[in-house]
Amino acid sequence: AQSVTQLDSHVSVSEGTPVLLRCNYSSSYSPSLFWYVQHPNKGLQLLLKYTSAATLVKGINGFEAEFKKSETSFHLTKPSAHMSDAAEYFCVVSQLNFGNEKLTFGTGTRLTIIP
Amino acid sequence: GAGVSQTPSNKVTEKGKYVELRCDPISGHTALYWYRQSLGQGPEFLIYFQGTGAADDSGLPNDRFFAVRPEGSVSTLKIQRTERGDSAVYLCASSLWGGFVGTEAFFGQGTRLTVV
Repeated sequence: AQSVTQLDSHVSVSEGTPVLLRCNYSSSYSPSLFWYVQHPNKGLQLLLKYTSAATLVKGINGFEAEFKKSETSFHLTKPSAHMSDAAEYFCVVSQLNFGNEKLTFGTGTRLTIIP
Repeated sequence: GAGVSQTPSNKVTEKGKYVELRCDPISGHTALYWYRQSLGQGPEFLIYFQGTGAADDSGLPNDRFFAVRPEGSVSTLKIQRTERGDSAVYLCASSLWGGFVGTEAFFGQGTRLTVV
């Protein structure tokens, strides 16, 4: 079975400073990995996804993530935090179950932006 | 519609009662998923429909939970004899033909179910 571990339940950064949200995965083969964001009272939104093409993946709103097989990591970064980035972020792995694909979510990281 | 619509947005019910949660997927999307998100946790898979049939219901916790999608569009998640532990946000997602790698899935805002 595949799984993801989000290493921080809460991260606080000042506006304008870099953001780093950490994620490690466990997989017996090359996984597909995603980052989703969940704003209060909003649906989950796809930020970016890795599907075995380029290891550095660029997403929406200036976010990017790097797939590192040697470290089994898929950390999410952004050079400069904005107040609108405050939300819950989920690292996710795609899992095949009897030929059907489904997502397995991490426990989430709550990002707080300090003005 | 423009996105995945879930109704009601909030539902409070008494322990032991029956509830139905509705999901209207994006028009034309054949794949539909239900997930459950408990407080402080990530969403957990419940069931996946491809068209009218449940292709994977391995995430349903027990036989009190049942979901249908009779015409391949709207889906209803049904919970019988609700328990306090069923309290969670129930999320629905749809995608064009299934899967999350080859195509993007879109999530609704969820139904917050509270069992008192």
